[in-house]
Amino acid sequence: DTAVSQTPKYLVTQMGNDKSIKCEQNLGHDTMYWYKQDSKKFLKIMFSYNNKELIINETVPNRFSPKSPDKAHLNLHINSLELGDSAVYFCASSEGGTTNEKLFFGSGTQLSVL
Amino acid sequence: GESVGLHLPTLSVQEGDNSIINCAYSNSASDYFIWYKQESGKGPQFIIDIRSNMDKRQGQRVTVLLNKTVKHLSLQIAATQPGDSAVYFCAEKLRGANNLFFGTGTRLTVIP
Repeated sequence: DTAVSQTPKYLVTQMGNDKSIKCEQNLGHDTMYWYKQDSKKFLKIMFSYNNKELIINETVPNRFSPKSPDKAHLNLHINSLELGDSAVYFCASSEGGTTNEKLFFGSGTQLSVL
Repeated sequence: GESVGLHLPTLSVQEGDNSIINCAYSNSASDYFIWYKQESGKGPQFIIDIRSNMDKRQGQRVTVLLNKTVKHLSLQIAATQPGDSAVYFCAEKLRGANNLFFGTGTRLTVIP
């Protein structure tokens, strides 16, 4: 049973298209995250949701819009895709709060914008 | 073998040797530190963590050392195996914050 699962694994698309990445966790965690990993392997947080509410929104273009229908799901929708959006996107979850910080990551979605 | 995570991103060691991966963190207000291992095509996996009120913590074949004076964190892997080949990340959390800030990462290659 996969704890944090995200789909699709690979996503190849043209510039200007709109795409979504889905994420689900079955750990009963309250907090979910999206991280972006660039070609140099640098991991940077994009968003964090706690019980469906946005708590962290780093400097990310408005073209990126997270949506959390319930605390087990955090999807990422990207409008008008650009070449620079090509990266690996990781979903993660944690129990939440400031004392349960261990993140559990999904296996990543490799996005390639052509 | 040793590496400085932010300056020497690649470390090669012989199978069976001990590995030391180093990380310099930036904020003295960080109260929690964690090491992750990322294998090719996979997401980061938890290895070991340590809170700022500790200097050392041991796991199975791994030890994390924290030196708050110089803001330095290290991961020691005993008897390194080929399966240890991966990119290793340190991450820190600021006191009162909700998220982790990741370091650059160090690629460990184990030579059989």
